[in-house]
Amino acid sequence: AQSVSQHNHHVILSEAASLELGCNYSYGGTVNLFWYVQYPGQHLQLLLKYFSGDPLVKGIKGFEAEFIKSKFSFNLRKPSVQWSDTAEYFCAVKDSSYKLIFGSGTRLLVRP
Amino acid sequence: NAGVTQTPKFQVLKTGQSMTLQCAQDMNHEYMSWYRQDPGMGLRLIHYSVGAGITDQGEVPNGYNVSRSTTEDFPLRLLSAAPSQTSVYFCASSRDGTGFTEQYFGPGTRLTVT
Repeated sequence: AQSVSQHNHHVILSEAASLELGCNYSYGGTVNLFWYVQYPGQHLQLLLKYFSGDPLVKGIKGFEAEFIKSKFSFNLRKPSVQWSDTAEYFCAVKDSSYKLIFGSGTRLLVRP
Repeated sequence: NAGVTQTPKFQVLKTGQSMTLQCAQDMNHEYMSWYRQDPGMGLRLIHYSVGAGITDQGEVPNGYNVSRSTTEDFPLRLLSAAPSQTSVYFCASSRDGTGFTEQYFGPGTRLTVT
């Protein structure tokens, strides 16, 4: 079965620091990849997605992610975080089935 | 559009009680799904539906039933609640289940089973 690993469970950064959150998945075939964000007290929102083409995808709020097929990875990056980026971030993978499988999430705290 | 709506927002049940969590969407989406969110475990797929009359199991289906009699509604039933079902439940929908369309999430239902 498909599985998704997010190795960083909690990340604490100061404003203006750079961010990279790791995501690895297990399925070796064609996948669709997503990053979702959940701000405190809110429901999940899509940050960005990868279906095909350019492996570097850009999302909302200055976030980007790079798909590296050989490493089964889809890491999320942002060059300079803001206090308002404090949230929980989820990587999700969809393979050839109808199931969207999520990682365990990474809680990001950005200190002003 | 209201998007994806869920009721109730909060619920407390005693062990053994039954209840139905409601989910509705007004975007004419074919695909709907239920997830539970637990600390440190992310979101786990309970059941999903690719259209009216069609449902299938996700990662953690035990203890839950679903049905999809209309495109708009996808209720989740707990037949005999257990403390292990204490969680936050999210319903989501997307235009189809291919993965090429974004999933929209509801606001969640926080369930406590005592």
